[in-house]
Amino acid sequence: QSVLTQPPSMSGAPGQRVTISCTGNSSNIGTPYAVHWYQQLPGTAPKLLIYANVNRPSGVPDRFSGSKSGTSASLAITGLQAEDEADYYCQSYDISLSGVVFGGGTKLTVL
Amino acid sequence: QVQLQESGPGLVKPSETLSLTCSVSGYSITSGHYWGWIRQPPGKGLEYIGNVYHIGSTYYNPSLKGRVSISLDKSKNQVSLKVTSVIDTDTAVYYCARHSGVVGTIPPLFDSWGQGTLVIVSS
Repeated sequence: QSVLTQPPSMSGAPGQRVTISCTGNSSNIGTPYAVHWYQQLPGTAPKLLIYANVNRPSGVPDRFSGSKSGTSASLAITGLQAEDEADYYCQSYDISLSGVVFGGGTKLTVL
Repeated sequence: QVQLQESGPGLVKPSETLSLTCSVSGYSITSGHYWGWIRQPPGKGLEYIGNVYHIGSTYYNPSLKGRVSISLDKSKNQVSLKVTSVIDTDTAVYYCARHSGVVGTIPPLFDSWGQGTLVIVSS
């Protein structure tokens, strides 16, 4: 059972907007520590998608955006494309564990 | 550009020790950064196993209850992982990754990953 909770699956049609949630508690997302997001395409390693809540690494389209509020964070994808079909993971830091924690992952299907 | 490559046995018997190596190229493991191991059971999410800092200090996920050790081989520019007394739930794809430490309120950030290696625990 992952420390951070994500919906196991979501879907959307091409062109639509989807939002993936990541819920934690007062030991992780509820602290000032930020949240990162990773995209894992089938059969590959995760790739950094969003860092420090809202920032995109070079090369990541601006269709991807992140936010954080209270004990939750969200990843929004607008103008959904077939190539966005992947697993998405949130990641933060837990002060009780003094270590990195990941969400359980959300499998995004583009209909 | 840093590249990471995991290697090791793909099959380990229950109660034995899982040993993996991460070969790093394009960057000296003693120059900085943390070197972490993450695993992903088939069809499941990511679990952080632990890390070794470039100076040799380590952190292990408490959930692994003392079965894990991670170390550096500076002469070979490699990072190693050992998991003792393996059971079937240790079956997973194991990734090594380079990451930063905590910087202010920014959690460790994983910027380079290996391709992963599948380890099956079975007799």
